[in-house]
Amino acid sequence: DAGVTQSPTHLIKTRGQQVTLRCSPKSGHDTVSWYQQALGQGPQFIFQYYEEEERQRGNFPDRFSGHQFPNYSSELNVNALLLGDSALYLCASSLLRPTNYGYTFGSGTRLTVV
Amino acid sequence: SQQGEEDPQALSIQEGENATMNCSYKTSINNLQWYRQNSGRGLVHLILIRSNEREKHSGRLRVTLDTSKKSSSLLITASRAADTASYFCATDARMSNNNDMRFGAGTRLTVKP
Repeated sequence: DAGVTQSPTHLIKTRGQQVTLRCSPKSGHDTVSWYQQALGQGPQFIFQYYEEEERQRGNFPDRFSGHQFPNYSSELNVNALLLGDSALYLCASSLLRPTNYGYTFGSGTRLTVV
Repeated sequence: SQQGEEDPQALSIQEGENATMNCSYKTSINNLQWYRQNSGRGLVHLILIRSNEREKHSGRLRVTLDTSKKSSSLLITASRAADTASYFCATDARMSNNNDMRFGAGTRLTVKP
């Protein structure tokens, strides 16, 4: 049973460029949440998608946008990249209502902005 | 914004000792979860405790929840070198009907062989 798959694993971009990160959720999960984790910090909530709609959003600018497809997979897009966007981006899948199993996380995409 | 805060930020113990990490949060919750992260990898779910539960066990893990103090603790008994990792608590917000988890900054645990 595949867990959460994220691609790519590593990415280097230049300031001002745009990036798209991809996530395939665990089989049976319908909700995808995205997190940004800076080095030595905890994951910061970006947004959550369910039924192809953004249901919750954290304190991130509009440069961060996303999408969920009918097969529950998701994309995170970041425009006009800043040096401060360098981080590990984590995708987590779950059911909309919490279960005893919590979130299933992917291994993340390490984004470096130069 | 972060909901939970872990304490201590870092903890170093010898193999075989117990490790206790604490988490405090600000608003009422539906449930609290603990996760583990090995360096630079994804997080792994350890245990979920609901707001109407006071204690939960899973193997060598024991989690307590005190909603009156808005705090939780994670106890790892008989620690092993393989337990070396960062540990995070995550909470939802009672006002939210969704499984929308916010994480603290974590406790970095080092278990020396």
